[in-house]
Amino acid sequence: AQKITQTQPGMFVQEKEAVTLDCTYDTSDPSYGLFWYKQPSSGEMIFLIYQGSYDQQNATEGRYSLNFQKARKSANLVISASQLGDSAMYFCAMRGSFSGGYNKLIFGAGTRLAVHP
Amino acid sequence: DAGITQSPRHKVTETGTPVTLRCHQTENHRYMYWYRQDPGHGLRLIHYSYGVKDTDKGEVSDGYSVSRSKTEDFLLTLESATSSQTSVYFCAIGGTGANSPLHFGNGTRLTVT
Repeated sequence: AQKITQTQPGMFVQEKEAVTLDCTYDTSDPSYGLFWYKQPSSGEMIFLIYQGSYDQQNATEGRYSLNFQKARKSANLVISASQLGDSAMYFCAMRGSFSGGYNKLIFGAGTRLAVHP
Repeated sequence: DAGITQSPRHKVTETGTPVTLRCHQTENHRYMYWYRQDPGHGLRLIHYSYGVKDTDKGEVSDGYSVSRSKTEDFLLTLESATSSQTSVYFCAIGGTGANSPLHFGNGTRLTVT
């Protein structure tokens, strides 16, 4: 069975510093995708970044990067130069291969990030 | 923003009453999903649809049914609401490609008293 684990219920960071949000996963599928979403206090789910299991390089999107360590089954989100607007709930999610439900995402419990001025 | 509208946005209902939540999309997307969000659990898949009249169960489908009679509408029904179904419900579309994320509606906050 597939599983996503986010071990940090809450994190805080000083404005302008970098922060890493942890995500580990478990799957037996050789092909999978990993996603990160942001949920601000307003409640909407915002897609941030994607990493495919066969991607050779770590994904980056602006201030977001993904530290993908396949052997360790981890896909940590790194936010550089934190801003007050980064305060939100962050979810890691995984999609398995087609035979296991290609288009269904499995989510972790989330990490609440607070950015302090 | 993906054209996804959920209605109602908020609802309070009593235990034992039926409730239907609606998700409407304007993207003509084949795949639609219903998730529920609860503290400590993240989002969990209730049901999903891969076409008109084609639906399947997710990991927490007990007590829920769905229908999709048109591409643009995906309905979630709680036949007899229970307090354990108090939650925030999200509809999503997307996911037909390997790197294709799901796009979510703004959610429906349901309280069962």
